[in-house]
Amino acid sequence: DVKVTQSSRYLVKRTGEKVFLECVQDMDHENMFWYRQDPGLGLRLIYFSYDVKMKEKGDIPEGYSVSREKKERFSLILESASTNQTSMYLCASSLGEVHQETQYFGPGTRLLVL
Amino acid sequence: TQLLEQSPQFLSIQEGENLTVYCNSSSVFSSLQWYRQEPGEGPVLLVTVVTGGEVKKLKRLTFQFGDARKDSSLHITAAQPGDTGLYLCAGRRDSSYKLIFGSGTRLLVRP
Repeated sequence: DVKVTQSSRYLVKRTGEKVFLECVQDMDHENMFWYRQDPGLGLRLIYFSYDVKMKEKGDIPEGYSVSREKKERFSLILESASTNQTSMYLCASSLGEVHQETQYFGPGTRLLVL
Repeated sequence: TQLLEQSPQFLSIQEGENLTVYCNSSSVFSSLQWYRQEPGEGPVLLVTVVTGGEVKKLKRLTFQFGDARKDSSLHITAAQPGDTGLYLCAGRRDSSYKLIFGSGTRLLVRP
């Protein structure tokens, strides 16, 4: 079974802090994704990576950066957290072979920025 | 702009009832997926539909992709409390790996 793990289930940070969210997948998937989920808005793509050191902006990249130094790990960085970044953050991975393929999600990190 | 509109947003029904959830767009999608998300977990794929008019069944769940590949529906027969969750449709345009998610339908099935 594919397993996608996220480093924290809950995080509380203060405005202006640098925040790192880590995601690890154990199935040698090429693609990894970071989404945020807010009530009534569904999931919105922040960044996407299709290979090590490769990244592509999603729909809402402002205020975020990402790092993919190893294939299994995709990190989301909030350089200077703000209250409007309070949200549920979901990481996902997919094989990267066909376009209709499944995305496998981690359990999410609920971030509160005070 | 939400490219995929889901309705209803919330649905509370009694065990044994039938229900339909809709996912609509003015855009054409090359494929459409339905995910279910339970509290405290990430979404899990239920089905992928690719061909216009396609119907897929998963036990008591029936999924349909519109003929023009702009809309989809999920029908649940004889709902059970275990069906409770957030249902998300997600579409792909062209050959992109990116998914566009709908706003979700939160379903509560009361025993």
